[in-house]
Amino acid sequence: NAGVTQTPKFQVLKTGQSMTLQCAQDMNHEYMSWYRQDPGMGLRLIHYSVGAGITDQGEVPNGYNVSRSTTEDFPLRLLSAAPSQTSVYFCASSEGQISYNSPLHFGNGTRLTVT
Amino acid sequence: AQTVTQSQPEMSVQEAETVTLSCTYDTSENNYYLFWYKQPPSRQMILVIRQEAYKQQNATENRFSVNFQKAAKSFSLKISDSQLGDTAMYFCAFMGNNDMRFGAGTRLTVKP
Repeated sequence: NAGVTQTPKFQVLKTGQSMTLQCAQDMNHEYMSWYRQDPGMGLRLIHYSVGAGITDQGEVPNGYNVSRSTTEDFPLRLLSAAPSQTSVYFCASSEGQISYNSPLHFGNGTRLTVT
Repeated sequence: AQTVTQSQPEMSVQEAETVTLSCTYDTSENNYYLFWYKQPPSRQMILVIRQEAYKQQNATENRFSVNFQKAAKSFSLKISDSQLGDTAMYFCAFMGNNDMRFGAGTRLTVKP
């Protein structure tokens, strides 16, 4: 049972480069989301999706794009990387709306460094 | 917007002793969910314990328990019989109207 799989685990980018962080889940979860983790700030929601074809912005969406063409996949795109986007990125999913019976399941994170 | 505050950036405890991590939150909602997640050095986020706001009974999972005070908007985590493997960052999280918010975390070190 793979759960939530994120690739790559580590990535270094130069300012202005673009890239896509991949996220896939095999639990048939409807809800998927992306967070960034920065020291002293906990996890902040970037974008989320409540189902295929539906996405919405979270707390810190600027500089990031997402799409949800299938239930399984929820890639996060950085169009023009900036040093402020250096962070650890987590993808997470839940069966439905987050609740006691539908908690978030996390991937193992991607450490991104932008120089 | 809801906010979650963890006022203890770092804590330490001796092995086998008990430690309590504090968490407060701010919301105008009446129905919501609260979670504690553990993040060991491996970076994995692990669900430790969860609580429904409309349930008065405090949640318990083995050595982990919470003290949920709804009126005070407080959700502290108690770890009993601390083990070396409990060394980790601990995040408190609030889930309201489809908006999940995390605290800044408490780094817990269990000393042998």
